[in-house]
Amino acid sequence: DVKVTQSSRYLVKRTGEKVFLECVQDMDHENMFWYRQDPGLGLRLIYFSYDVKMKEKGDIPEGYSVSREKKERFSLILESASTNQTSMYLCAIQLGRVTEAFFGQGTRLTVV
Amino acid sequence: AQKITQTQPGMFVQEKEAVTLDCTYDTSDPSYGLFWYKQPSSGEMIFLIYQGSYDQQNATEGRYSLNFQKARKSANLVISASQLGDSAMYFCAMREGPGNQFYFGTGTSLTVIP
Repeated sequence: DVKVTQSSRYLVKRTGEKVFLECVQDMDHENMFWYRQDPGLGLRLIYFSYDVKMKEKGDIPEGYSVSREKKERFSLILESASTNQTSMYLCAIQLGRVTEAFFGQGTRLTVV
Repeated sequence: AQKITQTQPGMFVQEKEAVTLDCTYDTSDPSYGLFWYKQPSSGEMIFLIYQGSYDQQNATEGRYSLNFQKARKSANLVISASQLGDSAMYFCAMREGPGNQFYFGTGTSLTVIP
Protein backbone atom coordinates (compact mmCIF):
# COMPACT_ATOMS: atom_id res chain seq x y z
CA ASP A 1 0.00 0.00 0.00
CA VAL A 2 1.15 3.52 -0.79
CA LYS A 3 1.68 5.56 2.35
CA VAL A 4 1.77 9.36 2.46
CA THR A 5 2.30 10.73 5.94
CA GLN A 6 1.83 14.31 7.04
CA SER A 7 3.59 15.20 10.26
CA SER A 8 0.62 16.71 12.07
CA ARG A 9 -3.14 16.27 11.89
CA TYR A 10 -3.90 19.51 13.72
CA LEU A 11 -1.69 22.53 14.25
CA VAL A 12 -2.22 25.90 15.92
CA LYS A 13 0.31 28.65 15.28
CA ARG A 14 0.59 32.34 16.01
CA THR A 15 0.61 35.09 13.41
CA GLY A 16 4.14 35.77 12.23
CA GLU A 17 5.52 32.35 13.14
CA LYS A 18 7.47 30.30 10.63
CA VAL A 19 5.58 27.06 10.07
CA PHE A 20 6.82 23.81 8.59
CA LEU A 21 4.44 21.18 7.26
CA GLU A 22 6.13 17.90 6.47
CA CYS A 23 5.10 15.23 4.04
CA VAL A 24 6.84 11.89 3.75
CA GLN A 25 6.19 9.09 1.27
CA ASP A 26 7.33 5.50 1.57
CA MET A 27 7.61 4.94 -2.19
CA ASP A 28 10.37 6.09 -4.50
CA HIS A 29 8.20 8.50 -6.44
CA GLU A 30 9.09 11.75 -8.02
CA ASN A 31 5.91 13.79 -8.16
CA MET A 32 4.77 15.41 -4.93
CA PHE A 33 2.17 18.16 -4.44
CA TRP A 34 0.93 20.54 -1.78
CA TYR A 35 -2.66 21.75 -1.82
CA ARG A 36 -4.81 23.82 0.44
CA GLN A 37 -8.50 23.03 0.74
CA ASP A 38 -11.06 25.66 1.64
CA PRO A 39 -14.86 25.38 1.61
CA GLY A 40 -16.31 26.41 -1.72
CA LEU A 41 -12.86 26.69 -3.31
CA GLY A 42 -11.92 23.03 -3.58
CA LEU A 43 -8.27 22.04 -3.61
CA ARG A 44 -5.85 24.63 -4.89
CA LEU A 45 -2.32 23.75 -5.89
CA ILE A 46 0.35 25.63 -3.94
CA TYR A 47 3.58 24.01 -5.13
CA PHE A 48 4.68 20.77 -6.67
CA SER A 49 7.94 18.97 -7.22
CA TYR A 50 8.90 16.36 -9.77
CA ASP A 51 12.37 15.61 -8.45
CA VAL A 52 14.78 16.31 -5.63
CA LYS A 53 15.62 20.01 -5.37
CA MET A 54 13.10 20.76 -8.12
CA LYS A 55 10.02 22.85 -7.40
CA GLU A 56 7.33 24.52 -9.44
CA LYS A 57 4.75 27.09 -8.41
CA GLY A 58 1.13 26.15 -8.52
CA ASP A 59 -1.82 28.51 -8.58
CA ILE A 60 -1.40 30.10 -5.15
CA PRO A 61 2.29 30.11 -4.13
CA GLU A 62 2.27 33.53 -2.44
CA GLY A 63 3.23 33.33 1.20
CA TYR A 64 4.59 29.79 0.86
CA SER A 65 7.84 28.12 -0.05
CA VAL A 66 8.84 24.47 -0.31
CA SER A 67 11.86 22.30 0.20
CA ARG A 68 12.73 18.93 -1.25
CA GLU A 69 16.18 17.83 -0.17
CA LYS A 70 15.39 14.11 -0.28
CA LYS A 71 13.08 12.25 -2.60
CA GLU A 72 10.80 10.97 0.12
CA ARG A 73 10.21 14.29 1.88
CA PHE A 74 8.46 17.43 0.63
CA SER A 75 8.09 20.31 3.08
CA LEU A 76 5.74 23.25 2.87
CA ILE A 77 6.95 26.40 4.63
CA LEU A 78 4.88 29.35 5.72
CA GLU A 79 7.54 32.03 6.10
CA SER A 80 5.39 34.27 8.30
CA ALA A 81 2.03 32.73 9.07
CA SER A 82 -1.05 34.88 8.67
CA THR A 83 -4.67 34.28 9.65
CA ASN A 84 -5.70 33.92 6.00
CA GLN A 85 -3.51 30.83 5.82
CA THR A 86 -5.82 29.02 8.22
CA SER A 87 -6.86 26.03 6.12
CA MET A 88 -6.63 22.31 5.51
CA TYR A 89 -3.35 21.39 3.83
CA LEU A 90 -3.09 18.21 1.80
CA CYS A 91 0.04 16.55 0.48
CA ALA A 92 -0.21 14.17 -2.47
CA ILE A 93 2.09 11.99 -4.53
CA GLN A 94 1.64 10.61 -8.00
CA LEU A 95 3.12 7.29 -8.96
CA GLY A 96 3.18 7.73 -12.71
CA ARG A 97 1.71 9.68 -15.56
CA VAL A 98 -1.44 7.60 -15.87
CA THR A 99 -2.09 6.84 -12.26
CA GLU A 100 -4.04 8.62 -9.59
CA ALA A 101 -2.63 10.86 -6.88
CA PHE A 102 -2.44 9.47 -3.34
CA PHE A 103 -3.10 11.80 -0.45
CA GLY A 104 -1.93 12.19 3.09
CA GLN A 105 -4.46 12.54 5.88
CA GLY A 106 -4.26 16.33 5.83
CA THR A 107 -3.11 18.96 8.31
CA ARG A 108 -5.68 21.35 9.65
CA LEU A 109 -3.73 24.54 10.39
CA THR A 110 -5.17 27.35 12.47
CA VAL A 111 -3.29 30.63 12.64
CA VAL A 112 -4.33 32.84 15.55
CA ALA B 1 -9.73 30.34 -16.68
CA GLN B 2 -10.69 27.51 -14.38
CA LYS B 3 -9.13 24.21 -15.32
CA ILE B 4 -11.94 22.19 -13.72
CA THR B 5 -15.50 23.40 -13.23
CA GLN B 6 -18.06 21.71 -11.03
CA THR B 7 -21.29 23.68 -11.14
CA GLN B 8 -23.26 21.77 -8.52
CA PRO B 9 -22.28 22.79 -5.00
CA GLY B 10 -24.81 20.39 -3.48
CA MET B 11 -26.89 17.48 -4.70
CA PHE B 12 -29.52 15.23 -3.13
CA VAL B 13 -30.44 11.75 -4.31
CA GLN B 14 -32.82 9.11 -3.05
CA GLU B 15 -31.25 5.87 -1.89
CA LYS B 16 -31.05 3.27 -4.70
CA GLU B 17 -31.42 5.95 -7.39
CA ALA B 18 -28.70 6.97 -9.86
CA VAL B 19 -27.09 10.41 -9.76
CA THR B 20 -24.85 12.36 -12.15
CA LEU B 21 -22.24 14.80 -10.91
CA ASP B 22 -21.12 17.29 -13.53
CA CYS B 23 -17.56 18.20 -14.44
CA THR B 24 -16.14 20.21 -17.30
CA TYR B 25 -12.48 20.84 -17.94
CA ASP B 26 -10.24 23.13 -19.91
CA THR B 27 -6.91 22.12 -21.41
CA SER B 28 -4.96 22.46 -24.63
CA ASP B 29 -2.77 19.48 -23.78
CA PRO B 30 -3.73 16.52 -26.01
CA SER B 31 -2.62 14.09 -23.31
CA TYR B 32 -4.39 14.41 -20.00
CA GLY B 33 -6.14 12.34 -17.37
CA LEU B 34 -9.40 12.88 -15.60
CA PHE B 35 -10.10 11.62 -12.10
CA TRP B 36 -12.86 11.57 -9.54
CA TYR B 37 -12.25 11.52 -5.81
CA LYS B 38 -14.59 11.06 -2.87
CA GLN B 39 -13.99 12.86 0.42
CA PRO B 40 -16.17 11.65 3.30
CA SER B 41 -16.52 13.67 6.48
CA SER B 42 -13.40 11.94 7.85
CA GLY B 43 -11.38 14.00 5.37
CA GLU B 44 -9.49 11.28 3.49
CA MET B 45 -9.36 11.55 -0.29
CA ILE B 46 -10.49 8.32 -1.93
CA PHE B 47 -9.75 7.71 -5.60
CA LEU B 48 -12.80 6.47 -7.51
CA ILE B 49 -12.21 6.38 -11.24
CA TYR B 50 -9.82 7.44 -14.02
CA GLN B 51 -10.27 8.30 -17.69
CA GLY B 52 -7.39 8.94 -20.05
CA SER B 53 -7.77 11.42 -22.88
CA TYR B 54 -7.04 8.74 -25.47
CA ASP B 55 -9.34 6.13 -23.99
CA GLN B 56 -12.07 5.24 -26.44
CA GLN B 57 -14.48 3.80 -23.93
CA ASN B 58 -15.98 5.34 -20.84
CA ALA B 59 -14.35 4.14 -17.62
CA THR B 60 -16.36 2.06 -15.16
CA GLU B 61 -15.54 0.89 -11.65
CA GLY B 62 -18.33 -1.00 -9.95
CA ARG B 63 -21.18 1.43 -9.35
CA TYR B 64 -19.15 4.34 -10.72
CA SER B 65 -18.93 5.26 -14.37
CA LEU B 66 -17.43 8.26 -16.08
CA ASN B 67 -19.38 9.78 -18.94
CA PHE B 68 -16.53 11.15 -21.06
CA GLN B 69 -17.51 13.55 -23.85
CA LYS B 70 -14.24 14.79 -25.27
CA ALA B 71 -15.61 17.30 -27.75
CA ARG B 72 -17.66 18.94 -25.00
CA LYS B 73 -14.79 18.64 -22.51
CA SER B 74 -16.99 17.03 -19.94
CA ALA B 75 -16.32 14.14 -17.58
CA ASN B 76 -19.42 13.52 -15.53
CA LEU B 77 -19.49 10.93 -12.77
CA VAL B 78 -22.48 8.63 -12.64
CA ILE B 79 -23.18 6.74 -9.43
CA SER B 80 -25.74 3.99 -9.85
CA ALA B 81 -27.87 2.56 -7.04
CA SER B 82 -26.88 5.22 -4.49
CA GLN B 83 -26.14 4.10 -0.94
CA LEU B 84 -26.17 6.07 2.29
CA GLY B 85 -22.39 5.68 2.45
CA ASP B 86 -22.09 7.64 -0.80
CA SER B 87 -22.87 10.84 1.08
CA ALA B 88 -19.63 12.85 0.76
CA MET B 89 -17.85 15.57 -1.17
CA TYR B 90 -16.89 14.59 -4.70
CA PHE B 91 -14.03 16.22 -6.55
CA CYS B 92 -13.26 16.11 -10.24
CA ALA B 93 -9.58 16.48 -11.12
CA MET B 94 -7.38 16.68 -14.18
CA ARG B 95 -3.74 15.78 -14.63
CA GLU B 96 -1.97 17.62 -17.41
CA GLY B 97 1.28 19.21 -18.43
CA PRO B 98 4.91 18.09 -18.40
CA GLY B 99 4.97 18.27 -14.62
CA ASN B 100 1.81 16.20 -14.32
CA GLN B 101 0.07 18.87 -12.32
CA PHE B 102 -3.20 17.84 -10.73
CA TYR B 103 -5.98 20.42 -10.78
CA PHE B 104 -9.18 20.03 -8.79
CA GLY B 105 -12.66 21.46 -9.01
CA THR B 106 -14.54 23.08 -6.15
CA GLY B 107 -16.41 19.89 -5.35
CA THR B 108 -20.01 18.70 -5.11
CA SER B 109 -21.54 17.74 -1.80
CA LEU B 110 -23.76 14.69 -2.31
CA THR B 111 -26.37 13.71 0.24
CA VAL B 112 -28.16 10.38 -0.10
CA ILE B 113 -31.63 10.41 1.44
CA PRO B 114 -33.04 7.19 2.90
